[in-house]
Amino acid sequence: DGGITQSPKYLFRKEGQNVTLSCEQNLNHDAMYWYRQDPGQGLRLIYYSQIVNDFQKGDIAEGYSVSREKKESFPLTVTSAQKNPTAFYLCASSTNQGIDEQFFGPGTRLTVL
Amino acid sequence: RKEVEQDPGPFNVPEGATVAFNCTYSNSASQSFFWYRQDCRKEPKLLMSVYSSGNEDGRFTAQLNRASQYISLLIRDSKLSDSATYLCVVPERNTGRRALTFGSGTRLQVQP
Repeated sequence: DGGITQSPKYLFRKEGQNVTLSCEQNLNHDAMYWYRQDPGQGLRLIYYSQIVNDFQKGDIAEGYSVSREKKESFPLTVTSAQKNPTAFYLCASSTNQGIDEQFFGPGTRLTVL
Repeated sequence: RKEVEQDPGPFNVPEGATVAFNCTYSNSASQSFFWYRQDCRKEPKLLMSVYSSGNEDGRFTAQLNRASQYISLLIRDSKLSDSATYLCVVPERNTGRRALTFGSGTRLQVQP
């Protein structure tokens, strides 16, 4: 079955630690995205990548980093510089064929203790 | 003005009722629109795409009013399983990036 997977589903981190969230897709999509969702709020774009080996900052990139070495994978690192990292993190992908729909993975819920 | 605005609700309706949500957007260049459904603590899932004046899929109808810059979602014969948050989504235009702008969502609770 084609889809997007994210791991882990739940993640607990101590303050001052970096953590990496995994996102993999087998939809053969060129574009991938990372969003953050806080309670009662809309999704906010952290980083996006429209093609392998290229990525761009979104609206709230500070304290985050990404890589896009393979088409299927777009991991997100939440660094200790991110001031309020506790949130629900969602990865999405889409084609670059003029269709804008994005398809989401199940998300990772990060809690900083 | 926010780029995409929705009434947060909650809309509490009985089973079988008809309910409508509105969403307003600020970018007049937007050409396509989406409604996503998000269940509690889950990922958003695409419900409907709207590319012209509207779209209908079973009990769900989305309508677009470009002059007033709003999109509506109508749900007929509500089911308990329709309880969720509905996100209005507008692709960015004229920004140089292929990104979506999400509304904060309207919460629907269908009651027996």
